[in-house]
Amino acid sequence: QVQLVQSGAEMKKPGASVKVSCKASGYTFSNYGLSWVRQVPGQRLEWMGWISIYNDKRSYSQKFQGRVTMTADRSTNTAHMEMRGLRFDDTAVYYCARDRAQLVPGGIVDNWGQGTLVTVSS
Amino acid sequence: DIQMTQSPSSLSASVGDSVTITCRASQSITKFISWFQQKPGAAPKLLIYTASNLQNGVPSRFSGSGSGTDFTLTISSLRPEDFATYYCQQTYNTPRTFGPGTKVELK
Repeated sequence: QVQLVQSGAEMKKPGASVKVSCKASGYTFSNYGLSWVRQVPGQRLEWMGWISIYNDKRSYSQKFQGRVTMTADRSTNTAHMEMRGLRFDDTAVYYCARDRAQLVPGGIVDNWGQGTLVTVSS
Repeated sequence: DIQMTQSPSSLSASVGDSVTITCRASQSITKFISWFQQKPGAAPKLLIYTASNLQNGVPSRFSGSGSGTDFTLTISSLRPEDFATYYCQQTYNTPRTFGPGTKVELK
């Protein structure tokens, strides 16, 4: 079955960087894209961006442009999301999600990772 | 960015009730909307895509409808496991914005 397993919780200081990983199994990794979504506690889900596993094309929400980099390693079926310049209001659960859009940015997300809590605290 | 609103923000219902949640987009998104269910401490789960298509494995008591700017998610005959928060998301263009959520609580 489709599984997306994310890396564990992180605690970071303001200004630091964090890299969250997402290991996929149970499907052909390059046939789908991968979206990243975050959820600040008590708030709505927020789409951060998408990466095509097939050709590494990326589309980022303007809100995160310049601070986020999404990558994928087809040899290990693992995707990563790195965020730099962390702020207190980046404290959130970060999710990866399989995206049916293989070649164009962001479509239907049908399977989600378990989420990774990133806490930004001094 | 396309703004998504949902109503109500919360509702109380009993097992066996039928409930309807509404999502409105700030511009036409044709039929490009998904609906998700999220329980506390868990990842969202896809229920409906492209307005009315039921995701594999989702019970048929869930249904979606609408086009353009106005959409509904209906849960007929609520079951105990349906008490959760429901989100809509537009997949028409980027950024793929979500609604604020509707919490379905036990009356």
